[in-house]
Amino acid sequence: DAKTTQPPSMDCAEGRAANLPCNHSTISGNEYVYWYRQIHSQGPQYIIHGLKNNETNEMASLIITEDRKSSTLILPHATLRDTAVYYCIVRVVWDYKLSFGAGTTVTVRA
Amino acid sequence: NAGVTQTPKFQVLKTGQSMTLQCAQDMNHEYMSWYRQDPGMGLRLIHYSVGAGITDQGEVPNGYNVSRSTTEDFPLRLLSAAPSQTSVYFCASSYSMGGGNSPLHFGNGTRLTVT
Repeated sequence: DAKTTQPPSMDCAEGRAANLPCNHSTISGNEYVYWYRQIHSQGPQYIIHGLKNNETNEMASLIITEDRKSSTLILPHATLRDTAVYYCIVRVVWDYKLSFGAGTTVTVRA
Repeated sequence: NAGVTQTPKFQVLKTGQSMTLQCAQDMNHEYMSWYRQDPGMGLRLIHYSVGAGITDQGEVPNGYNVSRSTTEDFPLRLLSAAPSQTSVYFCASSYSMGGGNSPLHFGNGTRLTVT
């Protein structure tokens, strides 16, 4: 699996958009970009995933650069409940396994 | 749907005791897996199953056994608990079709302490 690089932490103001970067410069053509988050002591929660195109769902948007070497997760209106560790993961199409790194600790402040 | 349900939520064992961590899902997912998470670390894959009767080892399988007799259930057995197995255990499941295009859904974990 390709490795990802994320900043260790970031702060965000409540009500503002949170933009979480992820670098995956060695990603290959058959690897998806996945985002999960883990709120204190709970199980990881799936947020969104994509292969090449930008994706949006009720939780977030995923912007993948044209060369696929980096991506950004956007939480459009951050709330205090979005405080969590966010994991960016790349996953091969045929592989059921996920490898979690250290993630980004996001703190949303009132 | 209840999603992925893990029991118990908390467990304390003495060294050498055995126990089974239960995991059940009601989403008709073919793929199920067990992860452990140690303080300050990411999740590590213990065992996984791509369908009833089929299991395989992940990154850290030693000390753990699994079986998959039904689609819904995937129990994790510790035959002789050791302090090194103190951790939080997560079960996860997904549809088998698509592999990497199939999000994993996690349970809320079992917090195990071995003394």
